Amino acid sequence: AQSVTQLGSHVSVSEGALVLLRCNYSSSVPPYLFWYVQYPNQGLQLLLKYTSAATLVKGINGFEAEFKKSETSFHLTKPSAHMSDAAEYFCAVSDRPSNTGKLIFGQGTTLQVKP
Amino acid sequence: DGGITQSPKYLFRKEGQNVTLSCEQNLNHDAMYWYRQDPGQGLRLIYYSQIVNDFQKGDIAEGYSVSREKKESFPLTVTSAQKNPTAFYLCASSIRGTSNEQYFGPGTRLTVT
Repeated sequence: AQSVTQLGSHVSVSEGALVLLRCNYSSSVPPYLFWYVQYPNQGLQLLLKYTSAATLVKGINGFEAEFKKSETSFHLTKPSAHMSDAAEYFCAVSDRPSNTGKLIFGQGTTLQVKP
Repeated sequence: DGGITQSPKYLFRKEGQNVTLSCEQNLNHDAMYWYRQDPGQGLRLIYYSQIVNDFQKGDIAEGYSVSREKKESFPLTVTSAQKNPTAFYLCASSIRGTSNEQYFGPGTRLTVT
């Protein structure tokens, strides 16, 4: 069964530092991959998605992620953290093609940004 | 303005009572989903529906029920059989046959005492 692993339940960075949130998936066939962000007591908002085409995907708020098939990874990065980036981040994966449309979510990584 | 609405934002119930959470979307999406979120456990799928009048159990369906009588609406009932109902509940929708990108509502926080 498809699965996704986010390494590190909590990541802390200083404002202005590089943000790196790790995500690995288990499928042998490249799936669809997503990163979502969740602010406290709110729903999830899509940051970016990988569906095919370019392996480097740019998203909103200056985030980007690189799909690496050889490493089965889809890590999320941002060159310079801002205080407003403090939130919980979820990596998700979906089979390609999918009969159900289901997403499998990682456990989430809480990003703390220190002034 | 298209989107997904969930109401209410906060809901309080006494143990032993059934409670229904509302989810409405005007995105014209075929598929809809209900997730439960607990601290440190990510999102767990309760039920999903790909078309009207059809739905399937997710990973943690016990103690929950749903209906899908209209394309726009996918209400979730938390029954008294659900042993630990206190949680944050999220509804989502997506277009069938695409990349499965899901759009989320703002969530309902249910507290049962």
